[in-house]
Amino acid sequence: DAKTTQPNSMESNEEEPVHLPCNHSTISGTDYIHWYRQLPSQGPEYVIHGLTSNVNNRMASLAIAEDRKSSTLILHRATLRDAAVYYCILNGSGGSNYKLTFGKGTLLTVNP
Amino acid sequence: NAGVTQTPKFQVLKTGQSMTLQCAQDMNHEYMSWYRQDPGMGLRLIHYSVGAGITDQGEVPNGYNVSRSTTEDFPLRLLSAAPSQTSVYFCASSRNRGQGTDTQYFGPGTRLTVL
Repeated sequence: DAKTTQPNSMESNEEEPVHLPCNHSTISGTDYIHWYRQLPSQGPEYVIHGLTSNVNNRMASLAIAEDRKSSTLILHRATLRDAAVYYCILNGSGGSNYKLTFGKGTLLTVNP
Repeated sequence: NAGVTQTPKFQVLKTGQSMTLQCAQDMNHEYMSWYRQDPGMGLRLIHYSVGAGITDQGEVPNGYNVSRSTTEDFPLRLLSAAPSQTSVYFCASSRNRGQGTDTQYFGPGTRLTVL
């Protein structure tokens, strides 16, 4: 399984942008890059996903490097409610799409 | 839609006891799975099902049984609880279109302590 590498922790101030990096140098051509986050004492929740092009939704933006070996989750204005563990996960096709492999993720702390 | 529901929220067992963790989803999703999360760790896949009547093992299946008799329900059974099974258990579901675009919906979790 292709693996991802994320920093253990990051810190941000409220209302400032946050860039959460992820390296996935062994990504295959059919792997989608997914981001989930886990708020304290809750189950993970889907944030965003992409294949090659940058993606935006109401929660965040996903910037994908041209060679797809890295990506960055962007929270445009961090709020206290964004404090969570963020997981970068590769989601393939052809039968492995449902076997998500969670690493330890990045613990994001947001300071008021 | 209630999404993915799990019961109970908390449970304390003694070593050797058995119990069933319940999971249900009302989104007509084909795929369902169980994960466990130990302190400071990511989630690890225990068992999964791609449809009613079909189950398979994940990364850490030992000590757990599953069955899938309906699309909606996917219970996880602990046959003889051990302290090493103390963890938080999450159930998840998704449409299984066999594509990397499939996203998973997680339940709120069951916190299990085995004494």
